[in-house]
Parts: sequence; structure tokens; C-alpha cells
Amino acid sequence: GQQLNQSPQSMFIQEGEDVSMNCTSSSIFNTWLWYKQDPGEGPVLLIALYKAGELTSNGRLTAQFGITRKDSFLNISASIPSDVGIYFCAGTAGGTSYGKLTFGQGTILTVHP
Amino acid sequence: GAGVSQSPRYKVAKRGQDVALRCDPISGHVSLFWYQQALGQGPEFLTYFQNEAQLDKSGLPSDRFFAERPEGSVSTLKIQRTQQEDSAVYLCASSLRTGNQPQHFGDGTRLSIL
Repeated sequence: GQQLNQSPQSMFIQEGEDVSMNCTSSSIFNTWLWYKQDPGEGPVLLIALYKAGELTSNGRLTAQFGITRKDSFLNISASIPSDVGIYFCAGTAGGTSYGKLTFGQGTILTVHP
Repeated sequence: GAGVSQSPRYKVAKRGQDVALRCDPISGHVSLFWYQQALGQGPEFLTYFQNEAQLDKSGLPSDRFFAERPEGSVSTLKIQRTQQEDSAVYLCASSLRTGNQPQHFGDGTRLSIL
């Protein structure tokens, strides 16, 4: 089936540093979304992207839909301890009409105070 | 509540037992999805409902898995004759309309099969 390759698998950073993670696919995706998941909870939507080349911000978070429609990145600026968690990219593959999501493997973010 | 609600939050069952997991989507949401999340992995699609119609069940791992949404709101995922490999978190998500709409997730049911 569809695969999303997400990197890095984990990151250990100091509070205040910027963070970047990305996601690639071998096939075209129509939408890209970024979710954050805390332990014992469901994924929470951070940013949704619908057009190739789109750059969208949500507070300290910025995400882009790659121009080839096969990749996306998420940047977090000036990290804080509450940014700790697992970040997932997700997307809907080309030809899917109803929003079935394919997820990446996740990036585990640890922020040291 | 305003969000997607799932129950129970935790379920422990012996191998071979049947289990039923419930999802209450956000009121008025047309689309409902079930995903399975193994430990350390991203969620994987199981099935999709548009109102009461199950339009895609291609992700269900076997015929032991069955889902329904008879009145187009609450949905139940049933697993018959559970196996140890069924142990996972089962997530439900809903979205307002069909198409590529943002999906809002519940906190999941953590299923452990002994």
C-alpha cells in the first residue's frame, strides 16, 4: 500500500531551538496534514495543506506542501517543553475522494529545558 | 462533548473472546473513519463510513473485523475471536463532510489480548 517516509525518527533538542521534520512519498498526494499525539491521546491536527506549494503557519509552526506533491515539511520555531510528543505527517493519496489518510511513522520530539 | 468520544478507553480480553468498541463522532459529521495504531507506529486505515453507508472496508485485516454505523452517527467496531495480534489502539475519526476534510480523532481504545 501507500507509504510515507517520515524523518527523523527522533529528535533531542534544547528549549528555544528550531526543529524541522519532513515527509516524502513515492506517489502524489492531494493533501498533507500534520498531527501531534501525546501519550494516551489521539492525534491532534496542527496544520492542513491542500495545494502544491502552499505554505501555512499556525503560531510557531509552519508547514509546506511540496511543489511535486510528494513531500511536506514541518518547522517548529523556538521550541518549548510542551512541544514534546510524537508528530505525524499524513496525507490523502491521489485518486482518493473521501479523505482516507495514510500516516508516516512519526517523529518523537524531546525538548530539554 | 464537542469532540470524538470513544469507549471503553481500555479493554482487556482473553484470546478467542469477542469485543465491541464504540465511537461517538462529532455531532453532524458525515464521515467516520476507523484506524488501528500498533505500538510505535502511525495509525493505519481500517474502514470508512459516509453517513450509514460503509464505503470502504479495504483496511480490515480479516473477516473477524466488522464495523457498523446503522443510524449514521454512533459506530461500533467489533472483533470476533480475538487474537494476540489484534492488540493495538483503535482510533476513530470524523470529518464534517466528504472529500479531503480535516479529520478529528478520539483518544482511542487500547485493546490488549491476553
